Amino acid sequence: RKEVEQDPGPFNVPEGATVAFNCTYSNSASQSFFWYRQDCRKEPKLLMSVYSSGNEDGRFTAQLNRASQYISLLIRDSKLSDSATYLCVVNEGTYKYIFGTGTRLKVLA
Amino acid sequence: EAQVTQNPRYLITVTGKKLTVTCSQNMNHEYMSWYRQDPGLGLRQIYYSMNVEVTDKGDVPEGYKVSRKEKRNFPLILESPSPNQTSLYFCASSPFGEPQHFGDGTRLSIL
Repeated sequence: RKEVEQDPGPFNVPEGATVAFNCTYSNSASQSFFWYRQDCRKEPKLLMSVYSSGNEDGRFTAQLNRASQYISLLIRDSKLSDSATYLCVVNEGTYKYIFGTGTRLKVLA
Repeated sequence: EAQVTQNPRYLITVTGKKLTVTCSQNMNHEYMSWYRQDPGLGLRQIYYSMNVEVTDKGDVPEGYKVSRKEKRNFPLILESPSPNQTSLYFCASSPFGEPQHFGDGTRLSIL
């Protein structure tokens, strides 16, 4: 079983739609969690951290479910500019960060 | 402007010819790390450094070396490159731990 698993997609959604991605992790001792965004052939960019209480940043909401060992990212009112690959990242302590392979999102006009 | 600078951006070389990919950050970050990204495998951590002269192995350190003699620089060294090290490499820095600022990437092809 992979340490961090994501559905590769692509998720094709119309503009204005709400879309959600999940990411599961295998290490129950994982300490912190993040979502990154990566555009084609570009560097990853930190989108948001995921807190136990969940957090929201504009149209983006991240949730953590420790019992089921998954994190989620919800994007509301999708824009064309949201088209990218979304990477889930799990910290297993001592500066070790495990990246998922990403979920590809295409927002269609 | 806050940035992480990697050089070179592209390199084609041959097996066994030592090479160094440089990484420099201007944000006075303590934490720096190197990743490689391969199709279907995602980003995998090669090495990281918590501060000057403090480095540790990530998930895929075999065939790589690093050094951290100054806070701003964290070069990645391939002493004897092999074709399985053909990949897209990213350097990242952060004040805390989770990689916050990535360089533009270095695309290495080893023939």
